[in-house]
Amino acid sequence: QKEVEQDPGPLSVPEGAIVSLNCTYSNSAFQYFMWYRQYSRKGPELLMYTYSSGNKEDGRFTAQVDKSSKYISLFIRDSQPSDSATYLCAISGGSNYKLTFGKGTLLTVNP
Amino acid sequence: GAGVSQTPSNKVTEKGKYVELRCDPISGHTALYWYRQSLGQGPEFLIYFQGTGAADDSGLPNDRFFAVRPEGSVSTLKIQRTERGDSAVYLCASSLRLAGPYEQYFGPGTRLTVT
Repeated sequence: QKEVEQDPGPLSVPEGAIVSLNCTYSNSAFQYFMWYRQYSRKGPELLMYTYSSGNKEDGRFTAQVDKSSKYISLFIRDSQPSDSATYLCAISGGSNYKLTFGKGTLLTVNP
Repeated sequence: GAGVSQTPSNKVTEKGKYVELRCDPISGHTALYWYRQSLGQGPEFLIYFQGTGAADDSGLPNDRFFAVRPEGSVSTLKIQRTERGDSAVYLCASSLRLAGPYEQYFGPGTRLTVT
């Protein structure tokens, strides 16, 4: 079993839709949960991070962590064509520096 | 300010050749990381430097891979006897010494193609 599982999609939605992206993980020692956005031929850029459990909101983006079920989610409200990218979940545990990434989900928002 | 830069942006080499990939971290960042991203996959950790020394090289796939950071700034990832399976995007990231894991800033990557 991989440490982080993420459905690679692709996911295609109309502009204005609510997008839900998810990952599951296997190691309960992980404490930091991140979401990155990666445009084609660019490096990943941090969107949001959460420490331990709970929700975090930043504009149109909401990150959720459910440690009891080892499940993390990213919601995008009022999606825009500029949100079209690959979204990567990443987790980090005791070492606090090594990021373990999911495969990434390719999202296309159609105008 | 300037972000993490990586050179070259693209590298095509023949199987068996030696390659060097360079990373210039953000000024003042003492921690530096290398990741490898194969097609359709997320980045995978290779090595972590704190200053000049490799604090964790557990992600290097085999002894053909080696990385250095002699002056605690620029780092070079070296791959000997390249194989087609080494084809991937090699990403570099940097952070401040006591930064959280979410504070790694990534460069654009070097796309390596081994023919």
